Amino acid sequence: LAKTTQPISMDSYEGQEVNITCSHNNIATNDYITWYQQFPSQGPRFIIQGYKTKVTNEVASLFIPADRKSSTLSLPRVSLSDTAVYYCLVGVGNAGNMLTFGGGTRLMVKP
Amino acid sequence: DTGVSQDPRHKITKRGQNVTFRCDPISEHNRLYWYRQTLGQGPEFLTYFQNEAQLEKSRLLSDRFSAERPKGSFSTLEIQRTEQGDSAMYLCASSLAGGATNEKLFFGSGTQLSVL
Repeated sequence: LAKTTQPISMDSYEGQEVNITCSHNNIATNDYITWYQQFPSQGPRFIIQGYKTKVTNEVASLFIPADRKSSTLSLPRVSLSDTAVYYCLVGVGNAGNMLTFGGGTRLMVKP
Repeated sequence: DTGVSQDPRHKITKRGQNVTFRCDPISEHNRLYWYRQTLGQGPEFLTYFQNEAQLEKSRLLSDRFSAERPKGSFSTLEIQRTEQGDSAMYLCASSLAGGATNEKLFFGSGTQLSVL
């Protein structure tokens, strides 16, 4: 299983763009990269998923370089409600691997 | 609401008692996961089912823990002879595995267990 490393915490201000990077040096050929968001007392919520290059949806963008050993979650113009823990997961769910969460990045958005 | 449902939301028990949690996944999802999460940590994988078959089980899961998914729909997680170290949030997630796209987990709100 590919292990992931993320910053423990980050601070930002409302309206700024936030980039959270995840390292996954041992990513396997078939592994996808998935990011989840978790608020206190709730289960994680899927944000975005990608395999290579760039993926964008209505919430975030995911940048994956050619070597796929890292990925960056980009949150445009954050608001106070984006204060949460963000987890990067690497794995191939369809192959039956245990989908393992790391410690996540605690994002604090300040007014 | 057609999301993942967990019951109860909160459970307080005394050390040594048995507890059982229930998870109702999204109806068309064939995979169901159980995770445990303690304060300040990421969710820790416990076990997962594909339909009614339990395919993987974490080595961290002691013999006091057992999970079932008898008809491939809802699942139960039982903890026997609870210990204070079992206090945690127990999260259930479901997914639709198979096909070209990778798996996306949909989580319930969890059951918060406190063992006194």
